[in-house]
Amino acid sequence: GQQVMQIPQYQHVQEGEDFTTYCNSSTTLSNIQWYKQRPGGHPVFLIQLVKSGEVKKQKRLTFQFGEAKKNSSLHITATQTTDVGTYFCAGPPLYGQNFVFGPGTRLSVLP
Amino acid sequence: AAGVIQSPRHLIKEKRETATLKCYPIPRHDTVYWYQQGPGQDPQFLISFYEKMQSDKGSIPDRFSAQQFSDYHSELNMSSLELGDSALYFCASSATDRGISGNTIYFGEGSWLTVV
Repeated sequence: GQQVMQIPQYQHVQEGEDFTTYCNSSTTLSNIQWYKQRPGGHPVFLIQLVKSGEVKKQKRLTFQFGEAKKNSSLHITATQTTDVGTYFCAGPPLYGQNFVFGPGTRLSVLP
Repeated sequence: AAGVIQSPRHLIKEKRETATLKCYPIPRHDTVYWYQQGPGQDPQFLISFYEKMQSDKGSIPDRFSAQQFSDYHSELNMSSLELGDSALYFCASSATDRGISGNTIYFGEGSWLTVV
């Protein structure tokens, strides 16, 4: 079945440093979605990418969807302590409805 | 804006007992998903319903069952509880997009189940 991988699993950065997490699916995705989960919280929707090669920005966050629609990345510029949490990518396969989550990247930001 | 409502927020049960979790999706959302998230793990898909019919099934144990009612709320029933069932259970909902953009899933705050 469909598998989604994310790297790195953990990332510790100093406040102000940049951070990138990569998401790879074993199958072509119809779209990719990114979620952020704070410790003790629930996943919160960040963004959805649909088109091949699409790039979207939210303030310091830049999201990219690969040309083959099988990989994606999230880049945070100049991290802040409020960026702490686990970032999940998720997406349904091209034919199907089931969302499969990646294992997440846990980001910690040291002040 | 209305969000996905889950109840109860916390539940403690003993082994072999039964537990029921409830989920009220965002109004006009026609699809409900259930996820299980163990400590330090990513959400694992259990089951989903579209228009009150089971639409997809993931790693849901046979001891668990779920359904979606006419008012679109959903219930997850868990029987013969085991210690390993202790987890955060998320319900999520989405509105089917018949275009190419697909669905966006919105999560509830989760129900903490502790089996002792």
